[in-house]
Amino acid sequence: GQSLEQPSEVTAVEGAIVQINCTYQTSGFYGLSWYQQHDGGAPTFLSYNALDGLEETGRFSSFLSRSDSYGYLLLQELQMKDSASYFCAVRNSGYSTLTFGKGTMLLVSP
Amino acid sequence: DGGITQSPKYLFRKEGQNVTLSCEQNLNHDAMYWYRQDPGQGLRLIYYSQIVNDFQKGDIAEGYSVSREKKESFPLTVTSAQKNPTAFYLCASSTSGESGYTFGSGTRLTVV
Repeated sequence: GQSLEQPSEVTAVEGAIVQINCTYQTSGFYGLSWYQQHDGGAPTFLSYNALDGLEETGRFSSFLSRSDSYGYLLLQELQMKDSASYFCAVRNSGYSTLTFGKGTMLLVSP
Repeated sequence: DGGITQSPKYLFRKEGQNVTLSCEQNLNHDAMYWYRQDPGQGLRLIYYSQIVNDFQKGDIAEGYSVSREKKESFPLTVTSAQKNPTAFYLCASSTSGESGYTFGSGTRLTVV
């Protein structure tokens, strides 16, 4: 089976940098994804790492270390609108489903 | 614009009744998925389908049923056998091999 661990809540102030960690245990691994979900809304895809290293998309970056079964999402220049839940998810096989972590609620204060 | 439409947004059901949640996509995606979200529990997979007329059980399929008669549609029926049906239900789709899912806006089901 698969399991993912991520912190339940992280707080930060506007303009700061925050890192949300995710560790996983999986029998097969084909990539780590990150999704953002505002309260009551639809999750939206942020990033995907299949290989080790850092992927950058604007203010958001995602990192993967397959040897450590570990990844993180880095959010820079935080804005109030970044307050949301962030989920990491592992791809279980090449063309199949995602298993999600329980989510990290990010609270950005002025 | 392409996307996924879930309806209704809110649904109330009496205990013992079956109810069907609609999910339609015009993204021409092959694969579709149903997830259930409870507070503090993340998203858990109910059923998924990678091709028309074929679908597989996810981690929590008991008490649910699906059909995939058309590529665009993947309705979910919550049956009376589901013990705790009150939850937020999310439908998603993806192109086979693509890393990202596109989610619908969800249906919040409440059993009264």
